[in-house]
Amino acid sequence: AQTVTQSQPEMSVQEAETVTLSCTYDTSESDYYLFWYKQPPSRQMILVIRQEAYKQQNATENRFSVNFQKAAKSFSLKISDSQLGDAAMYFCANSGSARQLTFGSGTQLTVLP
Amino acid sequence: SAVISQKPSRDICQRGTSLTIQCQVDSQVTMMFWYRQQPGQSLTLIATANQGSEATYESGFVIDKFPISRPNLTFSTLTVSNMSPEDSSIYLCSASTGGNYGYTFGSGTRLTVV
Repeated sequence: AQTVTQSQPEMSVQEAETVTLSCTYDTSESDYYLFWYKQPPSRQMILVIRQEAYKQQNATENRFSVNFQKAAKSFSLKISDSQLGDAAMYFCANSGSARQLTFGSGTQLTVLP
Repeated sequence: SAVISQKPSRDICQRGTSLTIQCQVDSQVTMMFWYRQQPGQSLTLIATANQGSEATYESGFVIDKFPISRPNLTFSTLTVSNMSPEDSSIYLCSASTGGNYGYTFGSGTRLTVV
């Protein structure tokens, strides 16, 4: 069974500053993928970034990057130069051989002007 | 990546009735998933829908309550049967676009049972 834990129910960041959202996971599989999804009030789930477990290099997508620590089963998301549009619920998720996503409980990010 | 059209976007239903939610994908996908998101909560997987076979349900979800159809590689429906106020949630469908490379989501159905 897979589990995903997000220990920060809420976070806030000043516009243009950097914020890091935490995520830890547990899986018995050797081949798996990790994701961060963003859910604004529109309910639409938007993929922010994806990491393949077999890749040591941390994934980066523009202002979004991850710190993937495989041994520690940690997968944090760093948002640089935060913008008002980044305000949303952020979910960490894990998928394995069954191909279904297991989600964490989410972190509500507020961006302060 | 694939685009999913999910309908209806919201509905208010009387208890004891049923609602069918539809998801249409603009390309063929191997696997589709149905999730429930209760107010202020995370997403919980209801079932995995594969074309040509019975859906696979997660613990706590049963076919009689949440029947699913997957008649082809671009379409799936979820029915919420004999609804009660406890079924008030957002329901989302998702499609796996190949391997673990990407999961596309529909825009969700906000269901309120009164």
